Amino acid sequence: GEDVEQSLFLSVREGDSSVINCTYTDSSSTYLYWYKQEPGAGLQLLTYIFSNMDMKQDQRLTVLLNKKDKHLSLRIADTQTGDSAIYFCAEQGSQGNLIFGKGTKLSVKP
Amino acid sequence: DSGVTQTPKHLITATGQRVTLRCSPRSGDLSVYWYQQSLDQGLQFLIQYYNGEERAKGNILERFSAQQFPDLHSELNLSSLELGDSALYFCASSIGTGPSYEQYFGPGTRLTVT
Repeated sequence: GEDVEQSLFLSVREGDSSVINCTYTDSSSTYLYWYKQEPGAGLQLLTYIFSNMDMKQDQRLTVLLNKKDKHLSLRIADTQTGDSAIYFCAEQGSQGNLIFGKGTKLSVKP
Repeated sequence: DSGVTQTPKHLITATGQRVTLRCSPRSGDLSVYWYQQSLDQGLQFLIQYYNGEERAKGNILERFSAQQFPDLHSELNLSSLELGDSALYFCASSIGTGPSYEQYFGPGTRLTVT
């Protein structure tokens, strides 16, 4: 079945890089997404990667995709306190809907 | 601001009652998705409409139903509410249906069933 796994917590110091990892099961997923949820807010689309790409960079964000291992990661360079949030990895299911992981809570310490 | 609006922001109601959640998609988007976020289940897909027609169904209970109107706004109806229905309900919209179309999420409706 379709499933997405990610670790629940990550703590980093301000200015360090953060790496959030995710594994997925559906090898036919054509797009994989990262969403950010701040407290009391909705989900903000951060970035996505097409399955025929290995890497995508967008300012401080770098997405790496290893299709063989079905592993996706999001690297945030120069992490700031404003990056503290829950980050969700999502794959696109067979019906076009998104299948989310449980979310990784990123805490950034000054 | 994603351009997707949801009302109301908060809703408190009693068990056994019925509520309606409303979603207006981004201008130009034809597709609306409904998701439920709860502490134990995480984010779960409920149902999708595209240009007024139901396109896909996820883990939606029979007590729940939805529709999309000609102006493309959508409503999610929850009836015979139970304590376990307390959750954040999100709608998302996209231009089309299926892969390759990004989904943009509204701010959500927090439902509390007492």
